[in-house]
Amino acid sequence: GAVVSQHPSWVICKSGTSVKIECRSLDFQATTMFWYRQFPKQSLMLMATSNEGSKATYEQGVEKDKFLINHASLTLSTLTVTSAHPEDSSFYICSARGRRSSTDTQYFGPGTRLTVL
Amino acid sequence: ILNVEQSPQSLHVQEGDSTNFTCSFPSSNFYALHWYRWETAKSPEALFVMTLNGDEKKKGRISATLNTKEGYSYLYIKGSQPEDSATYLCAPATYAGNMLTFGGGTRLMVKP
Repeated sequence: GAVVSQHPSWVICKSGTSVKIECRSLDFQATTMFWYRQFPKQSLMLMATSNEGSKATYEQGVEKDKFLINHASLTLSTLTVTSAHPEDSSFYICSARGRRSSTDTQYFGPGTRLTVL
Repeated sequence: ILNVEQSPQSLHVQEGDSTNFTCSFPSSNFYALHWYRWETAKSPEALFVMTLNGDEKKKGRISATLNTKEGYSYLYIKGSQPEDSATYLCAPATYAGNMLTFGGGTRLMVKP
């Protein structure tokens, strides 16, 4: 099956610093990648959708200047949390899809646990 | 934002028991429904993508049915095994966009 990697799996940083999370599709080309966030005991919440070569589309309430998303190639998307604060501490997980149809399977990475001190 | 509900939130069964859980979603503008299994410390694993009313899909001991008119899907596990312990997520997609909206999941624990 299709494999998506995510790095790092966990990160601890000081308040005010920026953190970059990478999401890679290892054995397929990902036309679309998604970034989700999960707070404790809650469901996965979509933050943004990125199509290769285009600007990301952010969901309502997600600050695009704080969560920078880059999808520069068909196998790599990055999420940068800028000037991180303790309230940004969460579980971030990406998924990738080969085509743009919502009937196509999204393949998930293993997620990144971010803790901001 | 779609209102997607999964019930029960958690479920404890004995090895060998069969079990089922529910995903409810708005029936309007339905396009597709995805089911995932998410084991702790692993990536969510895709189980099924369902699109047609009355669809029934099967993968080993796991099967799912879909009712798009009333807005629900059932996931069944026959003869549960400890390795089935995971959180099962459903996610419908609508015509309004090509994003998935995830339910809160059903956490299944199978005791040996």
